[in-house]
Amino acid sequence: AQSVSQHNHHVILSEAASLELGCNYSYGGTVNLFWYVQYPGQHLQLLLKYFSGDPLVKGIKGFEAEFIKSKFSFNLRKPSVQWSDTAEYFCAVNHRGGGNKLTFGTGTQLKVEL
Amino acid sequence: DADVTQTPRNRITKTGKRIMLECSQTKGHDRMYWYRQDPGLGLRLIYYSFDVKDINKGEISDGYSVSRQAQAKFSLSLESAIPNQTALYFCATSDSPTGDGYGYTFGSGTRLTVV
Repeated sequence: AQSVSQHNHHVILSEAASLELGCNYSYGGTVNLFWYVQYPGQHLQLLLKYFSGDPLVKGIKGFEAEFIKSKFSFNLRKPSVQWSDTAEYFCAVNHRGGGNKLTFGTGTQLKVEL
Repeated sequence: DADVTQTPRNRITKTGKRIMLECSQTKGHDRMYWYRQDPGLGLRLIYYSFDVKDINKGEISDGYSVSRQAQAKFSLSLESAIPNQTALYFCATSDSPTGDGYGYTFGSGTRLTVV
């Protein structure tokens, strides 16, 4: 079975700081990778996704993620965070032929301070 | 109108009661899913359905049942609610994959409290 690990459970940053959230998955086959964001009191929204091709994926709101197959990682980055980025971030993975069932990580709570 | 609508948004119920959470979608997607979210545990899959006649258990289906009344409707039932089913429940949809690469569209969630 596949699993997803997000090692940073809580992150506090000041505005304009750079962000990197870790995500590692365990599955030996071909995977699709996703980052979702959940703003306070809201549902999950897709930030970005990787299916194939360029391992550096750009998403909405200035976020990007890099797929490193050899490290089973898909870390999320943003060069300069804003207060409005305060939210919970979830990494998710499904594997090809798995029926599109997403497995989610436990989430990282990001707080950006002014 | 939202693409994926969940009702109710909030519900408090007593232990032992039966409760149904409803989900409807206007995306025209074949695949629908029910997840629960608990602090520190992320989202865990309860049930999923690939079409009206195809329903499957997820990783935490015990204590839950589902009904796919139509392509657009997928309901989750707690036959006899217990306090550890207190959680935020999300319905999601996705299109039929031609490579399993489709992300989900989520509903706004139902916050359920069992007292």
